[in-house]
Amino acid sequence: DIQMTQSPHSLSASLGETVSIECLASEGISNYLAWYQQKPGKSPQLLIYYASSLQDGVPSRFSGSGSGTQYSLKISNMQPEDEGVYYCQQGYKYPPTFGGGTKLELK
Amino acid sequence: EVQLVESGGGLVQPGSSLKVSCVASGFTFSSYVMHWFRQAPENGIEWLAYINTDSSSTHYAETVKGRFTISRDNAKNTVDMQLSSLRSEDTAMYFCAREIPYVYYGLAFDYWGQGVMVTVSS
Repeated sequence: DIQMTQSPHSLSASLGETVSIECLASEGISNYLAWYQQKPGKSPQLLIYYASSLQDGVPSRFSGSGSGTQYSLKISNMQPEDEGVYYCQQGYKYPPTFGGGTKLELK
Repeated sequence: EVQLVESGGGLVQPGSSLKVSCVASGFTFSSYVMHWFRQAPENGIEWLAYINTDSSSTHYAETVKGRFTISRDNAKNTVDMQLSSLRSEDTAMYFCAREIPYVYYGLAFDYWGQGVMVTVSS
């Protein structure tokens, strides 16, 4: 299985700050990388697919980039509703696998 | 509005069976590949199984292969998973999810149910 490693494990950001979350795949995944946000007691919400394609309805302050084995999610202008746990997920081959998550809190 | 609603969770004893169900609405269910996932308390997300649009193809995670069975009924807009030979490590929130319809963009999941809790304990 492809292993997905996220960093950092947690971070806190001030209102309006820009933050980045990194995701490293154990092998090349050809941009088949998705990002999700999960809030406590809720199901994951798709933010980004194919490394940089923004899902309908997701604010444009979320953006994704990367290639090969290294990908990142950038959140510009941090808002209170952006608090939650963020997961990356590879969609290159079965089984789809997720990173361990990054907890983002408002400072 | 797309909705996925799971049901059927509960507390069961080790070795027993349980069926979790997911009813879909707000989209043409028969046109979408569906998946099941789980998330143990305070843990990450684990993919479990997929079923294609006409049930001709299924695929399972190694951790549940031979114990869990995914099925769907396009007439009723439901996707089920039969859980058998349950173990304590199967305790988790179980989610159904819809695969994005863009085949060239890889596997991703655009709608998830709210989840149903399965607890395996004596």
